[in-house]
Amino acid sequence: DIQMTQSPSSLSASVGDRVTITCRASQAIRDRLNWYQQKLGKAPKLLIYAASRLQSGAPSRFSGSASGPDFTLTISSLQPEDSATYYCQQSYSTPYTFGQGTKLDIK
Amino acid sequence: QVTLRESGPALVKPTQTLTLTCTFSGFSLSTNAMCVSWIRQPPGKALEWLALIDWDDDKYYSTSLQTRLTISKDTSKNQVVLTMTNMDPVDTATYYCARIRRDLFAFEMWGQGTMVTVSP
Repeated sequence: DIQMTQSPSSLSASVGDRVTITCRASQAIRDRLNWYQQKLGKAPKLLIYAASRLQSGAPSRFSGSASGPDFTLTISSLQPEDSATYYCQQSYSTPYTFGQGTKLDIK
Repeated sequence: QVTLRESGPALVKPTQTLTLTCTFSGFSLSTNAMCVSWIRQPPGKALEWLALIDWDDDKYYSTSLQTRLTISKDTSKNQVVLTMTNMDPVDTATYYCARIRRDLFAFEMWGQGTMVTVSP
């Protein structure tokens, strides 16, 4: 199985900050990397697919990028409603796997 | 409008078999490139992918759970069913179904989830 390692596991930032979350795959997955946002008590929502493509309806302050085995989710200017847990997920091959999540709090 | 809704028992006893149904609308699972997957999340823990069935009735399973899982579809009813045998308290979780389109290779629509507790 492909292992997905996310970092950090948690972070706290202020409104307006630029925030980055990283995910590394245990083997090459091309651009088959997706990012989800999950708010407390809710189902996850797709933010970014294919490493860098913004899902329809997702705010433009969210972006994704890839560099070798590392994938990054960036929030350009943090908003109060961005308080959530963020997950990466590889869809290169089954079994599909998720990262362990990054809990983002607003200071 | 695409919607998915999970249904099933809220409480099962250890060793029992869990049967969950995902009822969806707004698309057909007989359409090329459509897939439905099951994902679960124990309380306070990360998401875990369980199984996937595609338009061609191909099925894929979690490595660690494949001996206990069966996924099937009823295209006429717009339903996907997941069965998990020999339930244990560690299987207590919220179970989600989600749609995947092969062109996105992402879970782009999710159900609200159904909480299943395994307890004597």
